[in-house]
Amino acid sequence: DGGITQSPKYLFRKEGQNVTLSCEQNLNHDAMYWYRQDPGQGLRLIYYSQIVNDFQKGDIAEGYSVSREKKESFPLTVTSAQKNPTAFYLCASRTSGRSDTQYFGPGTRLTVL
Amino acid sequence: KQEVTQIPAALSVPEGENLVLNCSFTDSAIYNLQWFRQDPGKGLTSLLLIQSSQREQTSGRLNASLDKSSGRSTLYIAASQPGDSATYLCAVVRGTNAGKSTFGDGTTLTVKP
Repeated sequence: DGGITQSPKYLFRKEGQNVTLSCEQNLNHDAMYWYRQDPGQGLRLIYYSQIVNDFQKGDIAEGYSVSREKKESFPLTVTSAQKNPTAFYLCASRTSGRSDTQYFGPGTRLTVL
Repeated sequence: KQEVTQIPAALSVPEGENLVLNCSFTDSAIYNLQWFRQDPGKGLTSLLLIQSSQREQTSGRLNASLDKSSGRSTLYIAASQPGDSATYLCAVVRGTNAGKSTFGDGTTLTVKP
């Protein structure tokens, strides 16, 4: 099946720890995105990547880092510098054309203990 | 800066009713607008995508319209069913090459049997 997978589904972090969220796609899409969603709100863009070995900050990049070493993979690290990391994190991808449909993974819910 | 607003935040209707969800945006320089459905705790599922040059798109009981000049889009759902209960989000792709999207906060729809 083609699609986007995210792991883990639930993640618990102690204050001061870094954690990494996984995102993998087999859709052969060039562009990948990370969003954060807080309760009752829409999605806010954290980072995006249009091509391997390149990525750009979104609207709320502080306290997060990413890498894009492979086309299929776009992991997100939530660092200890992120002051309020408890949220639902969604990964998405699309073809390089900006007019194309964006596809989403099932999400990872991160809770800071 | 693009801002996207969805009104109402919540809507409850009896089964069988036709309904309209609204999405407004402040910057008319968009490439496309996409409507998504999100079930609780899940990722987003694409419903319809309207290119900036189009006026509407239809899929089954769903019809989405776009009026760039007034900065508005509507999602029309015909003959609503309990299975339509979900949160509906609209997203506009900004006028850049990055394909970055700005999301509204969503409208949570409840269809009562």
